[in-house]
Amino acid sequence: AQSVTQLDSQVPVFEEAPVELRCNYSSSVSVYLFWYVQYPNQGLQLLLKYLSGSTLVKGINGFEAEFNKSQTSFHLRKPSVHISDTAEYFCAVSDHGGSQGNLIFGKGTKLSVKP
Amino acid sequence: GAGVSQSPRYKVAKRGQDVALRCDPISGHVSLFWYQQALGQGPEFLTYFQNEAQLDKSGLPSDRFFAERPEGSVSTLKIQRTQQEDSAVYLCASSFRYNEQFFGPGTRLTVL
Repeated sequence: AQSVTQLDSQVPVFEEAPVELRCNYSSSVSVYLFWYVQYPNQGLQLLLKYLSGSTLVKGINGFEAEFNKSQTSFHLRKPSVHISDTAEYFCAVSDHGGSQGNLIFGKGTKLSVKP
Repeated sequence: GAGVSQSPRYKVAKRGQDVALRCDPISGHVSLFWYQQALGQGPEFLTYFQNEAQLDKSGLPSDRFFAERPEGSVSTLKIQRTQQEDSAVYLCASSFRYNEQFFGPGTRLTVL
């Protein structure tokens, strides 16, 4: 069975500071990895995804993530955050070899950017 | 183009009532997923459709939950005899390729 652990439930950070949101996964098969962002009272928006190829993935809004197979991690980073980045961020995994692709989510990390 | 839409956005039900939640996926998307997101948690998979066929309903928490997609487009999630523990946000997602899902805004269900 697959699982996702987001190590921090809340991350406070000052505007223009760098941020890293941590995600570890466990799976017995190859996986696809995703980061989604959820603003209050809205659905999930895809930030970026790792399917194959380069382990450094760049997404929208200046975010990037690095897939590390040996450490089973997929941490999300941004070099300089803005107030508008305040939201909840979810890491998710799906079965690489499956024909269905339902996502297994972590519990989320609330990013709070302070002026 | 239009994204995934869900209605109603908010639903308040008395315990024991039946509710129906609607999802309009992106046109042409073959795959449709329902997720349940409890307060303070990540979304959890409920069920999956490929066109009109419900291929996986392993995440449905009880036989009070029922989903359909009769014509392979719009889907309805029905909950019978609602209980307080059913209170959650219900998210619908659609996909053309199975590894890229687009989510609707969700329906927040509150059972009193």
